[in-house]
Amino acid sequence: GEDVEQSLFLSVREGDSSVINCTYTDSSSTYLYWYKQEPGAGLQLLTYIFSNMDMKQDQRLTVLLNKKDKHLSLRIADTQTGDSAIYFCAERRTGRRALTFGSGTRLQVQP
Amino acid sequence: DADVTQTPRNRITKTGKRIMLECSQTKGHDRMYWYRQDPGLGLRLIYYSFDVKDINKGEISDGYSVSRQAQAKFSLSLESAIPNQTALYFCATSGGKDTEAFFGQGTRLTVV
Repeated sequence: GEDVEQSLFLSVREGDSSVINCTYTDSSSTYLYWYKQEPGAGLQLLTYIFSNMDMKQDQRLTVLLNKKDKHLSLRIADTQTGDSAIYFCAERRTGRRALTFGSGTRLQVQP
Repeated sequence: DADVTQTPRNRITKTGKRIMLECSQTKGHDRMYWYRQDPGLGLRLIYYSFDVKDINKGEISDGYSVSRQAQAKFSLSLESAIPNQTALYFCATSGGKDTEAFFGQGTRLTVV
């Protein structure tokens, strides 16, 4: 999805925090999502945020949304080796009937 | 059993062959989607359907067709496969406008 951009790769040490960033271009986006794809598997929804929110926290996950800069981030606290996966951000735009996905960020967690 | 099942999981086919990928779901959702995933490009929408009589093209529908045989079944066909259709294909469902999408395990297709 050329309208949703993510860096391709992030490497962190086990126990550190990970921050995965995403930028989008459409200010009419209503919901923004983070999906996780483990090797050989489909995508699973991790969390989402509605566009009128700035932050959402769910256990080790914190989502921050800066609407002015059209910037979304996912912070994973105390990153574990089981968090190694590809993380996709996705947006649902007003008037669009399907999600628009970013290119995905591969998170590698080193022991 | 998985809520969204794709068959086959892996397929190797020759250029020019017709191939069908199948998707079935037990979630009772009206909305179904086909995406393809390529490294570095994320997921791109091929086709989607919001009920049995509704078929819509996505951003990369050329070379593909779909059939919504029933609420629970949505198949994707490549009429004449070509090597640049080698990719990972995902079927997904959702229950409504602002609900999450549920994905199948994916079908890895290789066209030689």
